[in-house]
Amino acid sequence: DAGITQSPRHKVTETGTPVTLRCHQTENHRYMYWYRQDPGHGLRLIHYSYGVKDTDKGEVSDGYSVSRSKTEDFLLTLESATSSQTSVYFCAISSLSGGAVSGNEQFFGPGTRLTVL
Amino acid sequence: DQQVKQNSPSLSVQEGRISILNCDYTNSMFDYFLWYKKYPAEGPTFLISISSIKDKNEDGRFTVFLNKSAKHLSLHIVPSQPGDSAVYFCAASKGGADGLTFGKGTHLIIQP
Repeated sequence: DAGITQSPRHKVTETGTPVTLRCHQTENHRYMYWYRQDPGHGLRLIHYSYGVKDTDKGEVSDGYSVSRSKTEDFLLTLESATSSQTSVYFCAISSLSGGAVSGNEQFFGPGTRLTVL
Repeated sequence: DQQVKQNSPSLSVQEGRISILNCDYTNSMFDYFLWYKKYPAEGPTFLISISSIKDKNEDGRFTVFLNKSAKHLSLHIVPSQPGDSAVYFCAASKGGADGLTFGKGTHLIIQP
């Protein structure tokens, strides 16, 4: 296992409430990612991080923010949850290290199922 | 403007036979390709990858073929086993540590 945990694993919340999902890794990897998976869409990148306090937007970043104050933790926040953010959220880490020339194999956590009512 | 396409939502194969899953891409900037397997209620699991400088990579029962001129890759599983029943995602990377671009997945069903 890649040493990635996500919390909570399941959450039900109401429209308009803030929600924070946590990803924790024990591998000391530099690169971390948040994806969402929806029926008919595969996985889509929300945000990613190159290191502590270094993040960037992905394909579907609207309505989401992230923070990375420690190497091991990458937080995803929905400032005001909407029903369209009902999804399964996956965190991933990359096999790449700084300066590595190998491919970007990513390893995923178990996911968080979020329901926004 | 889907950049990675898996045109078969599902595929049924008899146990012991070869399973062939296909993937097409449109972005010429992709230079690294990956296959993931996913069971329900679990995260995707990395299976095998291939760099654009190669046309084949093999790992046990799994072989990935890349046809760069056709922008097409395929995953071959031989022989297919019941535990291979899962959703398979094709993914592509533009290099570096950017995120992956995924296809919509193919549900592989291995029939006994």
